[in-house]
Amino acid sequence: DQQVKQNSPSLSVQEGRISILNCDYTNSMFDYFLWYKKYPAEGPTFLISISSIKDKNEDGRFTVFLNKSAKHLSLHIVPSQPGDSAVYFCAASIQGAQKLVFGQGTRLTINP
Amino acid sequence: ETGVTQTPRHLVMGMTNKKSLKCEQHLGHNAMYWYKQSAKKPLELMFVYSLEERVENNSVPSRFSPECPNSSHLFLHLHTLQPEDSALYLCASSQDLERGGETQYFGPGTRLLVL
Repeated sequence: DQQVKQNSPSLSVQEGRISILNCDYTNSMFDYFLWYKKYPAEGPTFLISISSIKDKNEDGRFTVFLNKSAKHLSLHIVPSQPGDSAVYFCAASIQGAQKLVFGQGTRLTINP
Repeated sequence: ETGVTQTPRHLVMGMTNKKSLKCEQHLGHNAMYWYKQSAKKPLELMFVYSLEERVENNSVPSRFSPECPNSSHLFLHLHTLQPEDSALYLCASSQDLERGGETQYFGPGTRLLVL
């Protein structure tokens, strides 16, 4: 049973607009969430995270929102830039449990 | 060299071959991980090492054999693989095991094709 799900395998957004990537989870014990970004031929790199004590965390153009009651988080990128084209992975963990559980990724394409 | 490096970047092997994947981290971390990424699937955690000791084996077949000779190096020895083992194999590290549920740092991966 997949505990972290990204139901959109791909997303296409025009440059300058907002990109919204979604992630759902099933394990209510998860209390820490992360987004990773992966370019082709490179490993995933950490982008932004949020603890369950917050509902929003912002870092420049990137904002992550957490809705604990819906077991849903989203990553907003605004404005979207061509360099944002990559695969984005959502991950979750139980702090102290020592490992991350990943979603299957969403491929974001930013069109000029 | 900084970060997490993996060699080789690409590997093609037959089902009867024996090969090894190498990972090296230059971050001074104490925990290292092997993941498998198949197309359109989540990253699957295979093995976890902390201070050179294996602390987790996620029901991985014995044709995959990890080795961690020191906290900077991690190997994945492969023998008699199957075509369905073709995937991207990613190595990661974290500062220590307790922070494994926080940020992990990934290598670029080895793209493996089993014929």
